[in-house]
Amino acid sequence: SYELTQPPSVSVSPGQTAKITCSGDALPRQYTYWYQQRPGQAPVLVIYKDTERPSGIPARFSGSSSGTTVTLTISGAQAEDEADYYCQSADSSATIVFGGGTRLTVL
Amino acid sequence: EVQLVQSGTEVKKPGESLRISCKVSGTSFTSQWIFWVRQMPGKGLEWMGRIDPSDSKTNYGPSFQGHVSMSADKSISTAYLHWSNLRTSDTAMYYCAAGDDWIGFDIWGQGTVVTVSS
Repeated sequence: SYELTQPPSVSVSPGQTAKITCSGDALPRQYTYWYQQRPGQAPVLVIYKDTERPSGIPARFSGSSSGTTVTLTISGAQAEDEADYYCQSADSSATIVFGGGTRLTVL
Repeated sequence: EVQLVQSGTEVKKPGESLRISCKVSGTSFTSQWIFWVRQMPGKGLEWMGRIDPSDSKTNYGPSFQGHVSMSADKSISTAYLHWSNLRTSDTAMYYCAAGDDWIGFDIWGQGTVVTVSS
């Protein structure tokens, strides 16, 4: 079955740039979406269609794509950005897949 | 403002049936795909399936095909997730989400906790 691979954890100091990667063979052919999930809360969409940012999401969140890897970048990470982040895409049969999630620590 | 409001916490026994709901407001129900996502305690997100409320067409994730079903009632803008034979391994948080295409989850419900225990 198709898998998306994320690092389990990323750490960054406040004000620094955090990069979270997501790798998958089908990523060049399907859009990727990114969700933020703070402890005890429902996920929130932070990036859609690889690079687009929904209204209300701070400009410090951005997405990029290169080949089979997509990247979520948080420029100037803040304490409130500490959360789990999940990438999501689909395979060739339209089955939706989530990455395993990355715990972002801001300290 | 688009909102998805889910039904409350459920505690059931193995073998029982269950239906949880997701009411959509602030947008046209039939213009959205509705998705269901499972999150087991301390684990990641798993896609269960999606339904197109305009025609009730469904697609299920491989791990959930045959164990759950999805339905939608256009008259009350509500989607449902059904189990006919709960297992203890169904203990989890269940989220509904909505999107205007088949792949992305624009907005999420608050989640429904389901506990299955004898």
